[in-house]
Amino acid sequence: DAGVTQSPTHLIKTRGQQVTLRCSPKSGHDTVSWYQQALGQGPQFIFQYYEEEERQRGNFPDRFSGHQFPNYSSELNVNALLLGDSALYLCASSRPGLAGGETQYFGPGTRLLVL
Amino acid sequence: AQSVTQLDSQVPVFEEAPVELRCNYSSSVSVYLFWYVQYPNQGLQLLLKYLSGSTLVKGINGFEAEFNKSQTSFHLRKPSVHIRDTAEYFCAVSGPDTGGFKTIFGAGTRLFVKA
Repeated sequence: DAGVTQSPTHLIKTRGQQVTLRCSPKSGHDTVSWYQQALGQGPQFIFQYYEEEERQRGNFPDRFSGHQFPNYSSELNVNALLLGDSALYLCASSRPGLAGGETQYFGPGTRLLVL
Repeated sequence: AQSVTQLDSQVPVFEEAPVELRCNYSSSVSVYLFWYVQYPNQGLQLLLKYLSGSTLVKGINGFEAEFNKSQTSFHLRKPSVHIRDTAEYFCAVSGPDTGGFKTIFGAGTRLFVKA
């Protein structure tokens, strides 16, 4: 049973560019959440997707957007990249359950470096 | 707003010694509490979670945590650590006070087990 997969593993971009990160959830999971983990910090919630809709959003600007496909996979898009967007981006999947109480399964992350 | 404080950024300990990693949260309403572990260059893995019921929660790899509502704490403990427990540990909270689906993480505690 494949776990959560993310691609690419590493990415280097320059300021002002746009980036798309991809996530495939664990089999049987229909909910995908995205997190940003800056160096030396805990993950910060970006948003969660369920039934192809953004269900909840964290405190991130509109430059961060996402999408969920009918097969439950998801993309995170970041426009107009800033140096401060350099971080590890984590995707987590879960199955429906107690709102907020579900076990999240995390992928290995995509490390983004903005120069 | 809900917040999570991990009181120690680093905890060095000798192998086979007991360890406690401290976590406090701010909400006064019902919460769901989690401990995750992150090994180098990997995503997060759930150690244990508290949703309701018994305040002592047992998790994987011999870890346990105790929910203390009056002190708004959820400290993680292990009676005897191994070298392989060296990793970053994150305390997290979710529930109605975070909007329902958002998980808020602490800054992490680096556990370093010495031989």
